[in-house]
Amino acid sequence: QKEVEQDPGPLSVPEGAIVSLNCTYSNSAFQYFMWYRQYSRKGPELLMYTYSSGNKEDGRFTAQVDKSSKYISLFIRDSQPSDSATYLCAMRGMAGKSTFGDGTTLTVKP
Amino acid sequence: GAGVSQSPRYKVAKRGQDVALRCDPISGHVSLFWYQQALGQGPEFLTYFQNEAQLDKSGLPSDRFFAERPEGSVSTLKIQRTQQEDSAVYLCASRGRGTEAFFGQGTRLTVV
Repeated sequence: QKEVEQDPGPLSVPEGAIVSLNCTYSNSAFQYFMWYRQYSRKGPELLMYTYSSGNKEDGRFTAQVDKSSKYISLFIRDSQPSDSATYLCAMRGMAGKSTFGDGTTLTVKP
Repeated sequence: GAGVSQSPRYKVAKRGQDVALRCDPISGHVSLFWYQQALGQGPEFLTYFQNEAQLDKSGLPSDRFFAERPEGSVSTLKIQRTQQEDSAVYLCASRGRGTEAFFGQGTRLTVV
């Protein structure tokens, strides 16, 4: 079983919908939690990062971390066709490498 | 520079050929990472540098893979005697204090 599990989708929603993306993990040493967006044939783009449990909001994006359940989420409000991409969750301990999920592919239809 | 720069963007190698992939991190970023990404999967860790020191190379799949960062800035990932299973996108990322890793656009390696 992988350390980080992510529902691969694909996920298809109409424009303006609220999108929920989720990851679970097994390693309790993870302290930093990130979300990346990856367009086809591009490198991952850092969207948000949080430390420990709690919520963080940035515009239309909200990241949630629940360390007690080993569960993280990314919410996208008022989704746009330009949000269509693969979303990768990632997490790490205090230093060193990050461990990634396999990504959820999102399509937002106009 | 403004972002992480990788070259070449695309590389086609004949099986058995040696290849070298270059990464220019964001200026001032101490930490540098190499990842390998297969189609439909997330990036898999290969190796990690802090300045010029290679602190973790546990993800390198075989002794054909070698990475260096001699002056603590530019890094090179070298693959010797390439095999078909080495075909993947190789991603470089750098991380500074108080932030998380920023990725380059990757090098897509195809071994034929």
